[in-house]
Amino acid sequence: QVQLQESDPGLVKPSQTLSLTCSVSGASVISGTYYWTWIRQPAGKGLEWIGRIYTSGSTNYNPSLKSRVTISADTSKNQFSLKLRSVAAADTAVYYCAREDSSGYYYHGLDVWGRGTTVTVSS
Amino acid sequence: QYVLTQPPSVSGTPGQRVTISCSGSSSNIGNNAVTWYQQLPGAAPKLLMYSENQRASGVPDRFSGSKSGTSASLAINGLQSEDEADYYCAAWDDSLGAPYVFGTGTKVTVL
Repeated sequence: QVQLQESDPGLVKPSQTLSLTCSVSGASVISGTYYWTWIRQPAGKGLEWIGRIYTSGSTNYNPSLKSRVTISADTSKNQFSLKLRSVAAADTAVYYCAREDSSGYYYHGLDVWGRGTTVTVSS
Repeated sequence: QYVLTQPPSVSGTPGQRVTISCSGSSSNIGNNAVTWYQQLPGAAPKLLMYSENQRASGVPDRFSGSKSGTSASLAINGLQSEDEADYYCAAWDDSLGAPYVFGTGTKVTVL
């Protein structure tokens, strides 16, 4: 059974860099036809796709965040990470990591999610 | 930010049928698969339906999905109290640098 677990950075100061990791168990971040994805959700609001990394290491980002985001993978730890630079209060949200299954005839979407971690940007 | 439009809320009594619409455009729903996610209160989203009408593992068959042109729908037949949640549609968008876009979300209330 595949499980994802986000790290807990808690409070981040404005203008600093938010760093999150997602630990993966039951699957490898470098094998299979999967993308490893970050999504966020401000309190009381909807979901926003941040970006993803493929098992090959290629990445895609939301154009609205692209200039501030880097997603990478650490194969030795079977983790993938999110770095969001120059954060502001608007970046306060619950951050989720998820797996996107792109295999087969059907598009399966985001089929496994972490529980989410709350990040607050405040001085 | 949101390019897929859903009604803010729908409600029904136990046993009723409710439907949630998701309106998009030719660059997203019209040209790509639609996925639906269920988010129970205080929990992470969960995959509900993929490729318009395929139920995810463990999803009861009272949930069904469909797509026509640039709109999609999720139906819940025989509404149950445990279906009270937020529901989001999603699709890839070909016109915005190819992000994955979510709908505005619909709160389903069981009366």
